[in-house]
Amino acid sequence: DAGVTQSPTHLIKTRGQQVTLRCSPKSGHDTVSWYQQALGQGPQFIFQYYEEEERQRGNFPDRFSGHQFPNYSSELNVNALLLGDSALYLCASSLGGFYSNQPQHFGDGTRLSIL
Amino acid sequence: AQSVTQPDIHITVSEGASLELRCNYSYGATPYLFWYVQSPGQGLQLLLKYFSGDTLVQGIKGFEAEFKRSQSSFNLRKPSVHWSDAAEYFCAVGPISGNTPLVFGKGTRLSVIA
Repeated sequence: DAGVTQSPTHLIKTRGQQVTLRCSPKSGHDTVSWYQQALGQGPQFIFQYYEEEERQRGNFPDRFSGHQFPNYSSELNVNALLLGDSALYLCASSLGGFYSNQPQHFGDGTRLSIL
Repeated sequence: AQSVTQPDIHITVSEGASLELRCNYSYGATPYLFWYVQSPGQGLQLLLKYFSGDTLVQGIKGFEAEFKRSQSSFNLRKPSVHWSDAAEYFCAVGPISGNTPLVFGKGTRLSVIA
């Protein structure tokens, strides 16, 4: 039973560029959440996708956008990259949407470095 | 707004010693509470969760946590630490009303010495 998989594992970009990160949820899960984890900090919620729609959003600018596909996989897009966007980006999947009490299962993350 | 406080940034324990990691939360009602562990370069693994019922919950890898409503705490414990337990531990508060996302503390780094 495959868990949450994220790609790529590492990425280096320069300021002003755009990046796309990908996530495949755990088998049977239909909800994907994205988190940003800066060095030495806990993860911070970016947004959640359920039924191919953004259902809830954290305190992140519009430069951060996403998408969920019919097979429940998801992408996180970040435009106009800033140095402060350097972080570990974690994808978490769960079942049943935002109102569900099912725990979230996390992938190993994508380490994004901005030069 | 809900918040989670983990007062200890870094804890060092000897292998075989007991462990307690502290977690305090701020929320208007009983939240869903979680403990996750993160090994270097890896994602988060769920250790245990509390939704309701028995306030002492058992998790994986020999960990347990106790919910104390009067103290707004959800401390993580293990009776005997193994060297492989060295990692970063995060306490988190989950949504119960649908209006709040999963909120994490800043984490406690656990080092284990021989």
